[in-house]
Amino acid sequence: DAGVIQSPRHEVTEMGQEVTLRCKPISGHDYLFWYRQTMMRGLELLIYFNNNVPIDDSGMPEDRFSAKMPNASFSTLKIQPSEPRDSAVYFCASSLLGTGGTEAFFGQGTRLTVV
Amino acid sequence: AQSVTQLGSHVSVSEGALVLLRCNYSSSVPPYLFWYVQYPNQGLQLLLKYTSAATLVKGINGFEAEFKKSETSFHLTKPSAHMSDAAEYFCAVSDGGGSNYKLTFGKGTLLTVNP
Repeated sequence: DAGVIQSPRHEVTEMGQEVTLRCKPISGHDYLFWYRQTMMRGLELLIYFNNNVPIDDSGMPEDRFSAKMPNASFSTLKIQPSEPRDSAVYFCASSLLGTGGTEAFFGQGTRLTVV
Repeated sequence: AQSVTQLGSHVSVSEGALVLLRCNYSSSVPPYLFWYVQYPNQGLQLLLKYTSAATLVKGINGFEAEFKKSETSFHLTKPSAHMSDAAEYFCAVSDGGGSNYKLTFGKGTLLTVNP
């Protein structure tokens, strides 16, 4: 398996623009997570899905953020409108419950810069 | 609610010296515990995990960690540091399943290895 695939790897956008981050989880995994990493806050869980259903979105900072998982092989995280404080590295991860420890596999991340 | 505290945001050791990275957790249920490593501009990679089997867990690259319930700790050690160990290390806790599974990370510890 190619692992968790995120796109794009880097994104530079202007304030006010819509940004869409994409994630393809490992085939067969039933959990998908979106994390945000910044120097100030470290790794923050934004939202996670189980079998394509959002379970906990309490980490989503505000209504400008939304996430979808239309099927088991694809998820998006959208920011509309984007702001400079959204600049961060966004990670997607997936896992398979029942593997005795629920290890999460991470993608390479998308580095977002909002100017 | 579960949480993780990593003592020391930055640890510096000499090559060949003992590496000790500290992690204390809080969980209302028996936890699953993880150590991840992040190299520059990369995603997180699993080093090792504790899943209620042996309390001393061996991982990749010569790292190991010991689960101590009485101390609520899961410290990461390596007998002899290599230059290639320089990276950021994250401790994480999971409730291990049920209907509200999620992985919570500590703030991370940056390990520097000096020649």
